[in-house]
Amino acid sequence: GQQLNQSPQSMFIQEGEDVSMNCTSSSIFNTWLWYKQDPGEGPVLLIALYKAGELTSNGRLTAQFGITRKDSFLNISASIPSDVGIYFCAGPQGGSEKLVFGKGTKLTVNP
Amino acid sequence: NAGVMQNPRHLVRRRGQEARLRCSPMKGHSHVYWYRQLPEEGLKFMVYLQKENIIDESGMPKERFSAEFPKEGPSILRIQQVVRGDSAAYFCASSPAGNPSEQYFGPGTRLTVT
Repeated sequence: GQQLNQSPQSMFIQEGEDVSMNCTSSSIFNTWLWYKQDPGEGPVLLIALYKAGELTSNGRLTAQFGITRKDSFLNISASIPSDVGIYFCAGPQGGSEKLVFGKGTKLTVNP
Repeated sequence: NAGVMQNPRHLVRRRGQEARLRCSPMKGHSHVYWYRQLPEEGLKFMVYLQKENIIDESGMPKERFSAEFPKEGPSILRIQQVVRGDSAAYFCASSPAGNPSEQYFGPGTRLTVT
């Protein structure tokens, strides 16, 4: 089946720094989703991307749908301690409704 | 507008017992999905249901696992004769009709099999 590869696996940054993470696939996705998961909670949808080349922002978060439709990027500007968590990319598998998830990027922000 | 609700949040079962996990979708959402998450892993799709119908159960183990979404009441994920390998976090998501990719997740049920 389709797989999503996220990098980096983990990041340790200082408060105020910008963060960039990405997600790649060997196959095309028509939708890219970015979720954040806090410990003990379910993933929360941050940004949804539906069109190749699309750039979408949600506050300090910006995500892009790659032109090849095989990758996506998430940037967080001016990080704050509450940005700590695991960020997952996801997309519908084979055009269906079931989502395939990457393994996540674990973000730690030092105050 | 309340989010997706799941209960219980934590469930402990001995090997061989049954586990029943419940999920109430967001108001106005008619699609329900169940996913399983092992430690340090992403979520893995299990089953997709609409009211009274299983649409896709390709991610469900062939034995011991079943799911339903009755006309009235929550969706239920049922695991019979649990084994230690069933220990995981189980998440339910719902989406509105017409945009099934935009899935909103509940807080999950953490199942521990002792």
